[in-house]
Amino acid sequence: QVQLQESGPGLVQPSETLSLTCTVSGDSITRNVYYWVWIRQPPGKGLEWIGGVYYSGTTYYNPSLQSRVTVSMDSSKSQFSLRLSSVTAADTAIYFCAGNLAYWGQGILVAVSS
Amino acid sequence: EIVMTQSPASLSVSPGERATLSCRASQSITNNLAWYQQKPGQAPRLLIYEASTRATGIPARFSGSGSGTDFTLTISSLQSEDFAVYYCRQYSTYFRTFGPGTRVDIK
Repeated sequence: QVQLQESGPGLVQPSETLSLTCTVSGDSITRNVYYWVWIRQPPGKGLEWIGGVYYSGTTYYNPSLQSRVTVSMDSSKSQFSLRLSSVTAADTAIYFCAGNLAYWGQGILVAVSS
Repeated sequence: EIVMTQSPASLSVSPGERATLSCRASQSITNNLAWYQQKPGQAPRLLIYEASTRATGIPARFSGSGSGTDFTLTISSLQSEDFAVYYCRQYSTYFRTFGPGTRVDIK
């Protein structure tokens, strides 16, 4: 059973960079069936797809966030990561990491505030 | 970008009744559509993929249909644990997109 767990700071200062890590267990992160993604959900609102990285390392991003987002993978640690630069209050959300359609982390609330 | 819309935005249903939720894509996504259920404080749970295939462990009262641009999720007889928000999600393109959700609450 594949399991995912997000980690990172729960509070980020405006204009700084949000950095989160997702640790994957239960299977190889580089098995050629996986698309690892980040999704966020502002409090009380819907789901927004941020970006993802294929098992091969190829990345894709939401065009509306592309200039600020980097998703990367570290197979040696069985982790993939999200970096979102120049954050504002509008980036306050629960951030989920997920794999393919079915595998989700529990989510981590990140607030952007001074 | 493929834009997903869902209707209605909210739905009040009595336990035991049938609920029908709709999802529409701005262009054809063939059958690359998934449905999720989300309860407060939880991550979304996959219900249906490939428009009509139930995910592992999902009860038979959940069914999906449709292809191209129009899709439907039907809950045949609502149970108390089914009151939640339901999202559709397309995975036809590398840039996945979600619908805005349909809230199903108790009438």
